[in-house]
Amino acid sequence: AQSVTQLDSHVSVSEGTPVLLRCNYSSSYSPSLFWYVQHPNKGLQLLLKYTSAATLVKGINGFEAEFKKSETSFHLTKPSAHMSDAAEYFCVVSLSNDYKLSFGAGTTVTVRA
Amino acid sequence: GAVVSQHPSWVICKSGTSVKIECRSLDFQATTMFWYRQFPKQSLMLMATSNEGSKATYEQGVEKDKFLINHASLTLSTLTVTSAHPEDSSFYICSASGGTGELFFGEGSRLTVL
Repeated sequence: AQSVTQLDSHVSVSEGTPVLLRCNYSSSYSPSLFWYVQHPNKGLQLLLKYTSAATLVKGINGFEAEFKKSETSFHLTKPSAHMSDAAEYFCVVSLSNDYKLSFGAGTTVTVRA
Repeated sequence: GAVVSQHPSWVICKSGTSVKIECRSLDFQATTMFWYRQFPKQSLMLMATSNEGSKATYEQGVEKDKFLINHASLTLSTLTVTSAHPEDSSFYICSASGGTGELFFGEGSRLTVL
């Protein structure tokens, strides 16, 4: 079985300050891990993915995430938040050869001017 | 990147009618497509896996006679909500795999049943 826990349902940051979105996973197999972003009434856009290569993964729009097997974590960070980063973020896990995804509950990010 | 298109993006229908939502992979062939349902301010829930040329595989608790899925070609899967009721109102999202290890998501279709 596999599951994902996003530890924060809502994160509020000031523009220009760092963003940290926390994610822990459980999986019986070697997982693939993803972060997706969803803007209101829109589909999902892939920010980055981990598939057993480098543990520090760089994504689009300045986001990056670090896979820590010992902590079963895959936290998402960005050094400087922008107003356009306000959205819903989902941490997602998949078995290595299975396209079925398990979604975390999501974290809403708001950015204050 | 690859593009997945959903149509319609918004639909309002009367209770008891059926609504069809299309999911197309525009620039790649998708042997597998997935259908998700998302309630307001909640995460995505996988409804079913759609395989080209075969019957869809439904997740536990999803009524296959209520949510008909057809994957007739490598670029098109359809979800039909039959005899829709207000509780079926939701945001429906599809995704498609092109075999590269990445899933591409459609823009979603918001269904409102009056």
